[in-house]
Amino acid sequence: SSELTQPPSMSVSPGQTANITCSGDKLGDKYTSWHQQKPGQSPRVIIYQHVKRPSGIPDRFSGSNSGNTATLTISGTQPMDEADYHCQTWDSSTLDVVFGGGTKLTVL
Amino acid sequence: EVQLEESGGGLVQPGGSLRLSCVASGFTFSQHWMHWVRQTPGKGLVWVARVNHDGRSTSHVDSVKGRFTISRDNAKNTLYLQMNSLRVEDTAVYYCTRGQFSVDYWGQGTLVTVSS
Repeated sequence: SSELTQPPSMSVSPGQTANITCSGDKLGDKYTSWHQQKPGQSPRVIIYQHVKRPSGIPDRFSGSNSGNTATLTISGTQPMDEADYHCQTWDSSTLDVVFGGGTKLTVL
Repeated sequence: EVQLEESGGGLVQPGGSLRLSCVASGFTFSQHWMHWVRQTPGKGLVWVARVNHDGRSTSHVDSVKGRFTISRDNAKNTLYLQMNSLRVEDTAVYYCTRGQFSVDYWGQGTLVTVSS
């Protein structure tokens, strides 16, 4: 089955750019989504199909995907962006959903 | 507005059973694949099971195979997870989610606690 690797944590200063990576075998060949989860809340999708944003998601969130790595970029990071971020794709052989371990983003 | 509302969680002893339900609204339920995803407090998300749009194809993560069964009733817009032979390590918040290759909506989750 597929495995996705994310850094457990990272920090960024307000106004700076955060790049959260997600690595997996041939990840660039499969759609990747990113889910944001704030404390005490359910996750919500912020990026799907590599680069698309659902309505209501600020354009400071963007996604990219190349080779074996997908990247979530948060430009002009705000304190409200402090959350856990989970990448997600699917296993092409089983069609099962796969999640990364999640990255805790601290804005300070 | 898409809504997914889970219910059925609670406290159960090891070896016991629970059935989770998820009522969907705001979209044509019968056209979408559905999943259960769980999360242990402070930990990451783990996919548990999926069912295709008509219920004829299902899949479960290895750790729950033979104990959990995902199913759906399209007439009732409801997704289910029958959980048998529960173990302490099944303790988690269980989320109902929508999507085929990309999860695009999440429910609020229901807490399952397995403890003696």
